[in-house]
Amino acid sequence: AQKVTQAQTEISVVEKEDVTLDCVYETRDTTYYLFWYKQPPSGELVFLIRRNSFDEQNEISGRYSWNFQKSTSSFNFTITASQVVDSAVYFCALSDSVYNQGGKLIFGQGTELSVKP
Amino acid sequence: DTGVSQNPRHKITKRGQNVTFRCDPISEHNRLYWYRQTLGQGPEFLTYFQNEAQLEKSRLLSDRFSAERPKGSFSTLEIQRTEQGDSAMYLCASSLDLGSGNQPQHFGDGTRLSIL
Repeated sequence: AQKVTQAQTEISVVEKEDVTLDCVYETRDTTYYLFWYKQPPSGELVFLIRRNSFDEQNEISGRYSWNFQKSTSSFNFTITASQVVDSAVYFCALSDSVYNQGGKLIFGQGTELSVKP
Repeated sequence: DTGVSQNPRHKITKRGQNVTFRCDPISEHNRLYWYRQTLGQGPEFLTYFQNEAQLEKSRLLSDRFSAERPKGSFSTLEIQRTEQGDSAMYLCASSLDLGSGNQPQHFGDGTRLSIL
C-alpha cells in the first residue's frame, strides 16, 4: 500500500531560523516519484519539487533544499533563513510508476508552518 | 500562460440538491485529475482522465459522483443528492504526460462546497 506520513502537524519558528519538514513514505514500487507542494492561506497548491526514485542526489534551490534517502524512505524539506512569506501548509506527495495508477498523488496530512517576525 | 481554472470558487447548497463544478486545465495538458480536500487533511484522489478517457476512479467516488471530460478539454464533476459529508474543497489538477515519468500536477484554486 502507498502511504505518506508527515508526523509534524504544526511548526512555529521565528524569522531567519532554519526549519526542516519531515516526510516518510511507503510504496512497493521500485519506480516512483516524490513531490512537495506549498499551500498558502489563499488555498492554491503550488508545486515546489519532483524527484524520481533513482535520483538520490540532494537538491538546493535558493533557500530551499531537499534530502532524499531511500534507505529510510524519507524525503525531507529544509527552509534556510525562514521568512514570514514561507508561512503555509506544506504537503509531501508520492506518485507510483507511470505504468500504473496514472500518476495520481498520494498526499501526506501536511505540516503547517508558521514563521513569526 | 493561464493556469488551471475552476468555477465556481464557492458553492453553497441545501442537502439533496445537485451541484456541478467545472475545471479548465492548462491548454496543452492531456491529463486531468480531481481531488477532494477536507479541513486539516491532504488532498485525496477522486478520479483522472487521459484526454477524454476516464481511466481510474477512487472508491471515494460513490455512484452519486460523476465526472466527464468531453473532447479532452474542460472537465465537469457532478454530485447528485448532496450530503453533509460532501462539504469539502474540490481541487482540479492537470499535467502533461510525456511518457517519461509522472510530471508535476498543476492545481487550480479549487471549488469550496458547503452543504446546509
